[in-house]
Amino acid sequence: GAVVSQHPSRVICKSGTSVKIECRSLDFQATTMFWYRQFPKKSLMLMATSNEGSKATYEQGVEKDKFLINHASLTLSTLTVTSAHPEDSSFYICSASTIRQDRGSPLHFGNGTRLTVT
Amino acid sequence: GQQLNQSPQSMFIQEGEDVSMNCTSSSIFNTWLWYKQDPGEGPVLLIALYKAGELTSNGRLTAQFGITRKDSFLNISASIPSDVGIYFCAGQLQGGSNYKLTFGKGTLLTVNP
Repeated sequence: GAVVSQHPSRVICKSGTSVKIECRSLDFQATTMFWYRQFPKKSLMLMATSNEGSKATYEQGVEKDKFLINHASLTLSTLTVTSAHPEDSSFYICSASTIRQDRGSPLHFGNGTRLTVT
Repeated sequence: GQQLNQSPQSMFIQEGEDVSMNCTSSSIFNTWLWYKQDPGEGPVLLIALYKAGELTSNGRLTAQFGITRKDSFLNISASIPSDVGIYFCAGQLQGGSNYKLTFGKGTLLTVNP
């Protein structure tokens, strides 16, 4: 089945530095990738939708200059948390989808990245 | 925006018991999905439902897409300890390039051996 790989699985960084998280679709071409944030014991909150070759669409309240998204190819999207602060510490999860004409495509998720900002 | 109400929030059951959880929405979805998430990992797709009234099984799991397209349920029969985790429902709209999901708040399942 479809597999989405996310890297790194865990990262600890100092306040003020930037962190890049990669999301790859391993056996399919993902025209659309989604980035989520999840707080402990909470549901997934969509941050942005990333379409290959175009600018990402951010959800309301998500700072696009802080969470930079690049979707340069059909198999790779990256999320860069710029000038990270402790409040950015969270679990970030990506998902990827192939677009089918006849029905919605179930999204497959990466294993998430635990970001801790000290 | 769209809201999904998932219930119950948590369940504590004995091994071997059946489990039922459901989601209701304030608006219509074209697709309903059920995911399971283990601690520290991403959600794993369990069942995808594409048509109103559709009833689909995956092993001990059964899910249905409500006829009104505003609700779905997931049943787990004969639960086992490895069923422990958080179960999320998600609704998806089709159309254009927007296939984003709206998630329920999750049901935390604990199975006592």
